Order: sequence, then structure tokens, then C-alpha cells
Amino acid sequence: RKEVEQDPGPFNVPEGATVAFNCTYSNSASQSFFWYRQDCRKEPKLLMSVYSSGNEDGRFTAQLNRASQYISLLIRDSKLSDSATYLCVVYTNAGKSTFGDGTTLTVKP
Amino acid sequence: DADVTQTPRNRITKTGKRIMLECSQTKGHDRMYWYRQDPGLGLRLIYYSFDVKDINKGEISDGYSVSRQAQAKFSLSLESAIPNQTALYFCATSHPTGGGANVLTFGAGSRLTVL
Repeated sequence: RKEVEQDPGPFNVPEGATVAFNCTYSNSASQSFFWYRQDCRKEPKLLMSVYSSGNEDGRFTAQLNRASQYISLLIRDSKLSDSATYLCVVYTNAGKSTFGDGTTLTVKP
Repeated sequence: DADVTQTPRNRITKTGKRIMLECSQTKGHDRMYWYRQDPGLGLRLIYYSFDVKDINKGEISDGYSVSRQAQAKFSLSLESAIPNQTALYFCATSHPTGGGANVLTFGAGSRLTVL
């Protein structure tokens, strides 16, 4: 079993749709959690950190459920520019960040 | 200039050749990492370094070596390249916060093709 698992998708949604991605992790000692965005053949960039209380940044909402060991990302009012691969990243106190394989989102007109 | 610079950006080489990928950063971060990405997959950690005297193997270190020449420089070597090392390689840096977070800043990537 992989340490960090994501639904690979692809998710194909129309503009304006709401879409949610889930990610599960196996290491209960994991300390912090992130969503990164990666555009085709480019470097990953931090989208948002995920806090225990949940957090929102504009159209993006991230949630963490430590008991069930999963995190989620909700995108509301999808834009064409949201098309990308979204990577779930889990950081442990051993100092390593482990990546999921990513979920691909395509937003269509 | 980019905070994390990787060279070369693209390289085509032959099986058995020695290859070095270089990474330099201007962020002043202590921690540096080398990741590999294959199509359709996430990033897998090759090696990481928390300071100049610290080198650690990641999950896929076989066939690779690294050198941390200075706080700002971390190079990855393939002593004898093989075709299944064809991939996109990313260097990253981080500076952990007191809250336990560890946000990574990536270079633009080095695309390596081994024929």
C-alpha cells in the first residue's frame, strides 16, 4: 500500500462546477499536510496548507480528518485555469515529504 | 532569477555515461532535496540533505549519488546512466517552521533521457 493515495481521475468538469479530491495517508505520525498544483511538465507549486480546523482560500477549501487519515480539497466555481494536476503531500517528523501520484483535473468550457 | 535553479534543463545521454544534475538556491534554506517524477506518477524522493554535513537516502537512491558542496548547492549524479533513469528530476528546498510545516520550493526541473 502506498503511503499517500489519491484518486488519479481524470476529473473532467464544466466551468462553474464544484469538484472535490480526496487523499488518504497511512502514517499516523504525519505532521503536516499540503496540496500542491502542478501544470504540465512544470514544477509543483504550493496551493495551500491543510490545517486541522480546515481552511479556505477563495474558491479552495481544504479539510483534514486525522482520525480517518484523509485530507480533501474542494474547488468551487471551477475556472479553465484550474486545469492541472493536484498533488497531495504529507510531511512526517522524520523530515520527509511524501507525494501522492496526483489527481488530474480538466475544466472544460 | 529563480530562487532554485537547476542545470541542465534538458539532457539526452547514452547508457553508461556519467551525468551530473546541479541545483543552486538563493533562499538561504538549509534543507535540499532531489526528487524524480515519472509520467503519471507523483514525486519520489532520491536523496535529501538537512545541512552541508548531512546526506540521507530517500526511497529510490540506488544508482544515484549526491554532493552537498555548500548550503546553496546540491548536485545529483548518475554514475552509469541506464534507460529506466529517464525521468523528470526536481530539486527542492525547504525551511521548516516552528509549527512543523515544511513547505517545498522547487526548481523548474531537469528532463533527462537515457538512450
